[in-house]
Amino acid sequence: NAGVTQTPKFRILKIGQSMTLQCAQDMNHNYMYWYRQDPGMGLKLIYYSVGAGITDKGEVPNGYNVSRSTTEDFPLRLELAAPSQTSVYFCASSPLWGNTEAFFGQGTRLTVV
Amino acid sequence: RKEVEQDPGPFNVPEGATVAFNCTYSNSASQSFFWYRQDCRKEPKLLMSVYSSGNEDGRFTAQLNRASQYISLLIRDSKLSDSATYLCVVITIGMTTDSWGKLQFGAGTQVVVTP
Repeated sequence: NAGVTQTPKFRILKIGQSMTLQCAQDMNHNYMYWYRQDPGMGLKLIYYSVGAGITDKGEVPNGYNVSRSTTEDFPLRLELAAPSQTSVYFCASSPLWGNTEAFFGQGTRLTVV
Repeated sequence: RKEVEQDPGPFNVPEGATVAFNCTYSNSASQSFFWYRQDCRKEPKLLMSVYSSGNEDGRFTAQLNRASQYISLLIRDSKLSDSATYLCVVITIGMTTDSWGKLQFGAGTQVVVTP
């Protein structure tokens, strides 16, 4: 029962470096999301996807990019990391829009120094 | 105005007591509502859906008030293990590409149950 798998769990980046946060789900869900959560704050939507090949911006997309080439995978790319991107990143998926539960990965804790 | 708003708390609750808190949403077209629970530094997990007629799951009761655009969560006979942040989630399904049923989270209400 893998569900939603995120890698890595922890990462320290230097300012200006780039990295890709991986997210994979094995539940054949159409919807996938990337959120960030800053300390003591709620979740903010970065990007989401309604199916393979379709992505759209959320509330805070600047500094990030995504792709959705398959139903299973939804990687988040950070280009030119900045200290403001220090956060916990959660990937989630849900089967369809409507009255459905979203399933979350365990999160990636990213520190940019 | 934020689309989903919650009182951040913390709500300090003696063990065995009842606590209730609300979540307001701004879009009257919102259609689906949930309460999630988030433990410190962990991922959110579904606590319960919120149905129009209100629903109960053990010690937890959720209600929806569409006229005033809020949902509520009541926890009876609080346990120490109920200490967590409770996130309100709203799904609004619209006709434009920016409202394809994406989940919108409140910032969360922190509940601390004390012995």
